[in-house]
Amino acid sequence: DAGITQSPRYKITETGRQVTLMCHQTWSHSYMFWYRQDLGHGLRLIYYSAAADITDKGEVPDGYVVSRSKTENFPLTLESATRSQTSVYFCASTSGGAMETQYFGPGTRLLVL
Amino acid sequence: GENVEQHPSTLSVQEGDSAVIKCTYSDSASNYFPWYKQELGKRPQLIIDIRSNVGEKKDQRIAVTLNKTAKHFSLHITETQPEDSAVYFCAASMAGSARQLTFGSGTQLTVLP
Repeated sequence: DAGITQSPRYKITETGRQVTLMCHQTWSHSYMFWYRQDLGHGLRLIYYSAAADITDKGEVPDGYVVSRSKTENFPLTLESATRSQTSVYFCASTSGGAMETQYFGPGTRLLVL
Repeated sequence: GENVEQHPSTLSVQEGDSAVIKCTYSDSASNYFPWYKQELGKRPQLIIDIRSNVGEKKDQRIAVTLNKTAKHFSLHITETQPEDSAVYFCAASMAGSARQLTFGSGTQLTVLP
Protein backbone atom coordinates (compact mmCIF):
# COMPACT_ATOMS: atom_id res chain seq x y z
CA ASP A 1 0.00 0.00 0.00
CA ALA A 2 2.82 2.42 0.66
CA GLY A 3 3.60 2.22 -3.06
CA ILE A 4 0.77 4.55 -4.05
CA THR A 5 0.47 7.98 -2.51
CA GLN A 6 -1.83 10.95 -2.94
CA SER A 7 -1.39 14.62 -2.14
CA PRO A 8 -2.75 16.67 -0.62
CA ARG A 9 -4.69 14.48 1.79
CA TYR A 10 -7.10 17.32 2.60
CA LYS A 11 -7.98 20.37 0.54
CA ILE A 12 -10.41 23.24 0.97
CA THR A 13 -10.98 25.47 -2.02
CA GLU A 14 -13.52 27.91 -3.37
CA THR A 15 -15.90 27.65 -6.27
CA GLY A 16 -14.24 28.54 -9.56
CA ARG A 17 -10.68 27.81 -8.47
CA GLN A 18 -8.43 25.32 -10.20
CA VAL A 19 -7.30 22.40 -8.08
CA THR A 20 -4.85 19.61 -8.87
CA LEU A 21 -4.78 16.34 -7.00
CA MET A 22 -1.61 14.31 -7.28
CA CYS A 23 -1.16 10.56 -7.47
CA HIS A 24 2.18 8.77 -7.48
CA GLN A 25 2.95 5.04 -7.58
CA THR A 26 6.29 3.30 -7.28
CA TRP A 27 5.33 -0.09 -8.73
CA SER A 28 5.60 0.89 -12.42
CA HIS A 29 1.99 -0.22 -12.86
CA SER A 30 0.66 0.39 -16.35
CA TYR A 31 -2.90 1.20 -15.38
CA MET A 32 -3.98 4.07 -13.17
CA PHE A 33 -7.45 5.25 -12.20
CA TRP A 34 -9.22 8.13 -10.51
CA TYR A 35 -12.43 7.54 -8.55
CA ARG A 36 -14.68 9.76 -6.54
CA GLN A 37 -16.57 8.43 -3.55
CA ASP A 38 -19.84 9.95 -2.42
CA LEU A 39 -22.39 8.62 0.04
CA GLY A 40 -24.87 6.37 -1.70
CA HIS A 41 -22.86 6.16 -4.91
CA GLY A 42 -19.96 3.96 -4.01
CA LEU A 43 -16.87 4.48 -6.12
CA ARG A 44 -17.35 6.04 -9.55
CA LEU A 45 -14.64 6.11 -12.17
CA ILE A 46 -13.64 9.57 -13.39
CA TYR A 47 -10.71 8.85 -15.73
CA TYR A 48 -8.26 6.06 -16.32
CA SER A 49 -4.97 5.54 -18.09
CA ALA A 50 -3.56 2.39 -19.66
CA ALA A 51 -0.03 3.78 -20.06
CA ALA A 52 1.87 7.03 -20.28
CA ASP A 53 0.18 9.44 -22.67
CA ILE A 54 -2.93 7.22 -22.93
CA THR A 55 -5.99 8.38 -21.00
CA ASP A 56 -9.72 7.85 -21.34
CA LYS A 57 -12.97 8.93 -19.75
CA GLY A 58 -14.79 6.94 -17.14
CA GLU A 59 -18.33 7.24 -15.86
CA VAL A 60 -18.20 10.82 -14.52
CA PRO A 61 -15.50 12.82 -16.39
CA ASP A 62 -17.20 16.21 -16.74
CA GLY A 63 -15.29 19.03 -15.05
CA TYR A 64 -12.07 17.04 -14.72
CA VAL A 65 -8.85 16.85 -16.72
CA VAL A 66 -6.04 14.30 -16.43
CA SER A 67 -2.59 13.83 -17.85
CA ARG A 68 0.02 11.11 -17.69
CA SER A 69 3.41 12.22 -18.97
CA LYS A 70 5.21 9.71 -16.72
CA THR A 71 4.15 6.18 -15.82
CA GLU A 72 4.35 6.85 -12.09
CA ASN A 73 2.24 10.02 -11.96
CA PHE A 74 -1.42 10.61 -12.76
CA PRO A 75 -2.61 14.08 -11.70
CA LEU A 76 -6.29 15.01 -11.68
CA THR A 77 -7.24 18.66 -12.25
CA LEU A 78 -10.53 20.33 -11.50
CA GLU A 79 -10.36 23.26 -13.90
CA SER A 80 -13.06 25.33 -12.19
CA ALA A 81 -14.20 23.68 -8.99
CA THR A 82 -17.90 23.42 -8.18
CA ARG A 83 -19.63 22.49 -4.91
CA SER A 84 -20.82 19.24 -6.48
CA GLN A 85 -17.17 18.19 -6.75
CA THR A 86 -16.89 18.06 -2.97
CA SER A 87 -15.97 14.43 -2.45
CA VAL A 88 -13.29 11.94 -1.48
CA TYR A 89 -11.00 11.18 -4.40
CA PHE A 90 -9.11 7.91 -4.68
CA CYS A 91 -6.36 7.05 -7.07
CA ALA A 92 -5.69 3.39 -7.87
CA SER A 93 -3.28 1.38 -9.96
CA THR A 94 -2.86 -2.12 -11.29
CA SER A 95 -0.23 -3.95 -13.26
CA GLY A 96 -2.87 -5.40 -15.52
CA GLY A 97 -1.80 -8.91 -14.64
CA ALA A 98 -4.08 -11.95 -14.55
CA MET A 99 -5.92 -11.06 -11.33
CA GLU A 100 -6.07 -7.33 -12.09
CA THR A 101 -5.97 -6.30 -8.43
CA GLN A 102 -6.37 -2.57 -8.07
CA TYR A 103 -4.47 -0.97 -5.21
CA PHE A 104 -5.87 2.24 -3.84
CA GLY A 105 -4.13 5.31 -2.54
CA PRO A 106 -5.10 6.83 0.83
CA GLY A 107 -7.51 9.33 -0.72
CA THR A 108 -7.88 13.11 -0.85
CA ARG A 109 -10.79 14.78 0.91
CA LEU A 110 -11.82 17.82 -1.09
CA LEU A 111 -14.23 20.48 0.13
CA VAL A 112 -15.39 23.12 -2.33
CA LEU A 113 -16.97 26.14 -0.65
CA GLY B 1 -21.75 -0.40 -19.91
CA GLU B 2 -21.63 -2.65 -16.90
CA ASN B 3 -24.04 -2.13 -14.01
CA VAL B 4 -23.49 -3.71 -10.59
CA GLU B 5 -26.19 -3.80 -7.95
CA GLN B 6 -25.39 -4.65 -4.34
CA HIS B 7 -27.68 -5.70 -1.49
CA PRO B 8 -28.28 -5.07 1.30
CA SER B 9 -27.08 -1.52 1.85
CA THR B 10 -26.82 -2.14 5.60
CA LEU B 11 -26.42 -5.37 7.52
CA SER B 12 -26.20 -5.98 11.25
CA VAL B 13 -25.23 -9.36 12.67
CA GLN B 14 -24.34 -10.71 16.07
CA GLU B 15 -20.72 -11.58 16.69
CA GLY B 16 -20.11 -15.16 15.64
CA ASP B 17 -22.95 -15.24 13.12
CA SER B 18 -22.49 -15.32 9.35
CA ALA B 19 -22.97 -12.42 6.96
CA VAL B 20 -23.87 -12.62 3.28
CA ILE B 21 -23.72 -9.76 0.78
CA LYS B 22 -25.03 -10.21 -2.75
CA CYS B 23 -24.26 -8.51 -6.04
CA THR B 24 -25.65 -8.82 -9.53
CA TYR B 25 -24.02 -7.67 -12.74
CA SER B 26 -25.45 -6.91 -16.12
CA ASP B 27 -22.79 -7.70 -18.69
CA SER B 28 -22.16 -11.39 -19.34
CA ALA B 29 -18.69 -10.48 -20.65
CA SER B 30 -17.54 -9.58 -17.11
CA ASN B 31 -14.99 -12.10 -15.92
CA TYR B 32 -13.33 -10.70 -12.78
CA PHE B 33 -15.11 -10.00 -9.50
CA PRO B 34 -13.21 -8.51 -6.55
CA TRP B 35 -14.50 -7.58 -3.11
CA TYR B 36 -13.10 -4.62 -1.21
CA LYS B 37 -13.35 -3.73 2.47
CA GLN B 38 -13.24 -0.11 3.52
CA GLU B 39 -12.90 0.90 7.14
CA LEU B 40 -14.00 4.36 8.20
CA GLY B 41 -11.69 7.02 6.81
CA LYS B 42 -9.45 4.46 5.11
CA ARG B 43 -8.81 3.34 1.56
CA PRO B 44 -10.63 0.34 0.01
CA GLN B 45 -8.58 -2.85 0.34
CA LEU B 46 -9.01 -6.06 -1.59
CA ILE B 47 -10.12 -8.98 0.58
CA ILE B 48 -10.92 -11.63 -2.01
CA ASP B 49 -11.50 -11.95 -5.73
CA ILE B 50 -12.72 -14.55 -8.21
CA ARG B 51 -12.53 -15.11 -11.93
CA SER B 52 -15.40 -16.41 -14.02
CA ASN B 53 -13.82 -19.82 -14.58
CA VAL B 54 -14.18 -20.57 -10.85
CA GLY B 55 -17.43 -21.08 -8.92
CA GLU B 56 -16.19 -20.58 -5.39
CA LYS B 57 -13.11 -19.36 -3.58
CA LYS B 58 -12.32 -19.40 0.14
CA ASP B 59 -9.80 -17.64 2.31
CA GLN B 60 -10.17 -18.51 5.98
CA ARG B 61 -13.48 -16.98 7.16
CA ILE B 62 -14.24 -15.34 3.82
CA ALA B 63 -15.66 -16.97 0.72
CA VAL B 64 -17.01 -15.75 -2.59
CA THR B 65 -19.40 -17.66 -4.82
CA LEU B 66 -20.17 -16.91 -8.45
CA ASN B 67 -23.17 -17.94 -10.54
CA LYS B 68 -22.40 -16.99 -14.12
CA THR B 69 -25.75 -18.14 -15.45
CA ALA B 70 -27.67 -15.91 -13.07
CA LYS B 71 -25.00 -13.19 -13.19
CA HIS B 72 -24.64 -12.84 -9.48
CA PHE B 73 -21.90 -13.30 -6.91
CA SER B 74 -21.89 -13.25 -3.14
CA LEU B 75 -19.54 -12.61 -0.25
CA HIS B 76 -19.83 -14.89 2.76
CA ILE B 77 -18.19 -14.07 6.08
CA THR B 78 -18.40 -16.72 8.78
CA GLU B 79 -17.79 -16.38 12.52
CA THR B 80 -17.99 -12.62 12.28
CA GLN B 81 -15.91 -10.47 14.61
CA PRO B 82 -16.23 -6.79 15.57
CA GLU B 83 -13.24 -5.97 13.36
CA ASP B 84 -15.25 -7.16 10.36
CA SER B 85 -17.40 -4.05 10.77
CA ALA B 86 -16.78 -1.93 7.66
CA VAL B 87 -18.23 -1.05 4.27
CA TYR B 88 -17.88 -3.80 1.69
CA PHE B 89 -17.89 -3.16 -2.05
CA CYS B 90 -18.28 -5.65 -4.85
CA ALA B 91 -17.03 -4.89 -8.35
CA ALA B 92 -16.94 -6.37 -11.82
CA SER B 93 -14.55 -6.07 -14.72
CA MET B 94 -14.49 -7.49 -18.20
CA ALA B 95 -11.70 -8.54 -20.46
CA GLY B 96 -10.60 -5.81 -22.82
CA SER B 97 -12.01 -3.06 -20.61
CA ALA B 98 -8.57 -1.66 -19.71
CA ARG B 99 -9.06 -3.17 -16.26
CA GLN B 100 -11.95 -0.84 -15.45
CA LEU B 101 -13.90 -1.85 -12.37
CA THR B 102 -17.58 -1.06 -11.94
CA PHE B 103 -18.43 -0.96 -8.24
CA GLY B 104 -21.59 -1.72 -6.35
CA SER B 105 -22.92 0.94 -3.99
CA GLY B 106 -21.57 -0.74 -0.87
CA THR B 107 -22.85 -2.57 2.22
CA GLN B 108 -22.30 -1.23 5.72
CA LEU B 109 -21.71 -4.30 7.88
CA THR B 110 -21.99 -3.90 11.63
CA VAL B 111 -21.00 -6.78 13.89
CA LEU B 112 -22.64 -6.41 17.27
CA PRO B 113 -20.71 -7.71 20.29
